Amino acid sequence: GIQVEQSPPDLILQEGANSTLRCNFSDSVNNLQWFHQNPWGQLINLFYIPSGTKQNGRLSATTVATERYSLLYISSSQTTDSGVYFCAVERNYGQNFVFGPGTRLSVLP
Amino acid sequence: SAVISQKPSRDICQRGTSLTIQCQVDSQVTMMFWYRQQPGQSLTLIATANQGSEATYESGFVIDKFPISRPNLTFSTLTVSNMSPEDSSIYLCSVEERVGYTFGSGTRLTVV
Repeated sequence: GIQVEQSPPDLILQEGANSTLRCNFSDSVNNLQWFHQNPWGQLINLFYIPSGTKQNGRLSATTVATERYSLLYISSSQTTDSGVYFCAVERNYGQNFVFGPGTRLSVLP
Repeated sequence: SAVISQKPSRDICQRGTSLTIQCQVDSQVTMMFWYRQQPGQSLTLIATANQGSEATYESGFVIDKFPISRPNLTFSTLTVSNMSPEDSSIYLCSVEERVGYTFGSGTRLTVV
């Protein structure tokens, strides 16, 4: 099956700093999403981005499908950005949606 | 996107008992998915639930331990049977839409 890697596994930032999270995947995909899991366990969909670039406020994401990676950018980080960021991919509609191991982000005040 | 209501949000259960988790979607969907997230781990697919047919289970998950019902196109339940402390996890239901997957708020289960 498809493999998903994320880096770094852990990241500690001071409030206001910028960061880049990476997701590598082993095969072509028709779906790639970035999620933020808050400390209460709720999974928030950040981006549906199988290819291209999207921006939403302080967050942006880029997927280079031909090179099988995606990047999530967080600018001017806030303490509320803390949590675990997951990348997940799917080869074809209705197939197994595979999650990466996550990046645990801690933003310090 | 679809709105998914999942309950209970959390529960503490005695070992050997069973817990049924409910998932209600505000629109009709063909497939619903159940995931498990063990402490400190990523999400793993348990099974895919289609209306009118048996659920399809992933490797390592069996129907006797995780029976699933899918009585209609907006509702599904997952039962965690004969629980042990190793079943302590967050359980999430999900649906796939045109622009990706949406998840319920999860059920945080602690087995003591």
